[in-house]
Amino acid sequence: AQSVSQHNHHVILSEAASLELGCNYSYGGTVNLFWYVQYPGQHLQLLLKYFSGDPLVKGIKGFEAEFIKSKFSFNLRKPSVQWSDTAEYFCAVNARSGGGADGLTFGKGTHLIIQP
Amino acid sequence: NAGVTQTPKFQVLKTGQSMTLQCAQDMNHEYMSWYRQDPGMGLRLIHYSVGAGITDQGEVPNGYNVSRSTTEDFPLRLLSAAPSQTSVYFCASSYRAPYNEQFFGPGTRLTVL
Repeated sequence: AQSVSQHNHHVILSEAASLELGCNYSYGGTVNLFWYVQYPGQHLQLLLKYFSGDPLVKGIKGFEAEFIKSKFSFNLRKPSVQWSDTAEYFCAVNARSGGGADGLTFGKGTHLIIQP
Repeated sequence: NAGVTQTPKFQVLKTGQSMTLQCAQDMNHEYMSWYRQDPGMGLRLIHYSVGAGITDQGEVPNGYNVSRSTTEDFPLRLLSAAPSQTSVYFCASSYRAPYNEQFFGPGTRLTVL
């Protein structure tokens, strides 16, 4: 079974700082990778996803992520954060095993606080 | 489109009571799923369905029951509530397969006393 590890559980940054949130997964086959964001009191929204092709994917609100297959990583980045980026960020993976349906496996989340 | 809707938004139960969390989607998605979110645990898959009449267990299915009689609806039933089921429950749906983008509902916050 696949698993997802997010290295930072709590991150505090100042506005305009650069952001990188780590995500590693364990699965040797083909995977689809996602980053979801949960703003305070709201439901999960998709930030970006990787299915295939260019390993550098761009999402909404200036976020991007890079898939490095050799490192089983899918780190999230943003060059300059804003106060409105304060939220919980979840990395998720779905392993595309032949024919089997399942669901997303989520990391435990990173609580990001941006200080004005 | 309303997307994925869930009712109720909040619920308090006593230990041993049963209840049904409702989930509906209007996007004609075949795949629907239920997750629970607990502090420091992320989201964990409870049950999922790949189409009407087909359901299967996820990572944490014990104490929960599901059915899928229509494409639109995927209710989650708590058979005999326990304090360990205090959580926030999210329903999600996606087009045809779980490895496509999943759309999440607003969640139901459940407290079991």
